[in-house]
Amino acid sequence: GAGVSQSPSNKVTEKGKDVELRCDPISGHTALYWYRQRLGQGLEFLIYFQGNSAPDKSGLPSDRFSAERTGESVSTLTIQRTQQEDSAVYLCASSLVGARGAFFGQGTRLTVV
Amino acid sequence: KQEVTQIPAALSVPEGENLVLNCSFTDSAIYNLQWFRQDPGKGLTSLLLIQSSQREQTSGRLNASLDKSSGRSTLYIAASQPGDSATYLCAPPKGCNFNKFYFGSGTKLNVKP
Repeated sequence: GAGVSQSPSNKVTEKGKDVELRCDPISGHTALYWYRQRLGQGLEFLIYFQGNSAPDKSGLPSDRFSAERTGESVSTLTIQRTQQEDSAVYLCASSLVGARGAFFGQGTRLTVV
Repeated sequence: KQEVTQIPAALSVPEGENLVLNCSFTDSAIYNLQWFRQDPGKGLTSLLLIQSSQREQTSGRLNASLDKSSGRSTLYIAASQPGDSATYLCAPPKGCNFNKFYFGSGTKLNVKP
């Protein structure tokens, strides 16, 4: 597609439920990133995928968070047993190989009630 | 980890003024640096990407400079307009992952008509 697409744009869930957030990167972009932005705070790196290499999971805050990516296409970020502190905007970005900059989606606003 | 500081945290100016937004980062071993703008409730829009070999990059009324050795970048906005109102984020990566960005809290700009 023309840009990075994320769905849903908004998600309200009850505490303790699992949620899945989806990211469709720009076609041909081999690198994909997930970031989180809590209200009033900066963006935090969560996880990075590059081709078939093992993902960089160093930013995942707990084992309740996981992500998968199918080849060089769609990625899914899963949060299990959601907590109120998981409420944030989750942003996905994709890029070409090399220092060419990243392009971000519009984000998914997750609210845990 | 890359620590990013942006000054000022907030800025309110009348339309037409020329502006300087400052960014400093602790790890100067970067391959590039990207400036983004973030509008309320939206994702990030890439403004400028500076490679480590460059000192400046220009796009329209925007000019970004990079002094890698001192760990600083500056975004200059000429003849500011109300449509420039947004939060501006400086994002230097760290290490060999060109797009594993570290973000500061940004500069929130308000341009008054």
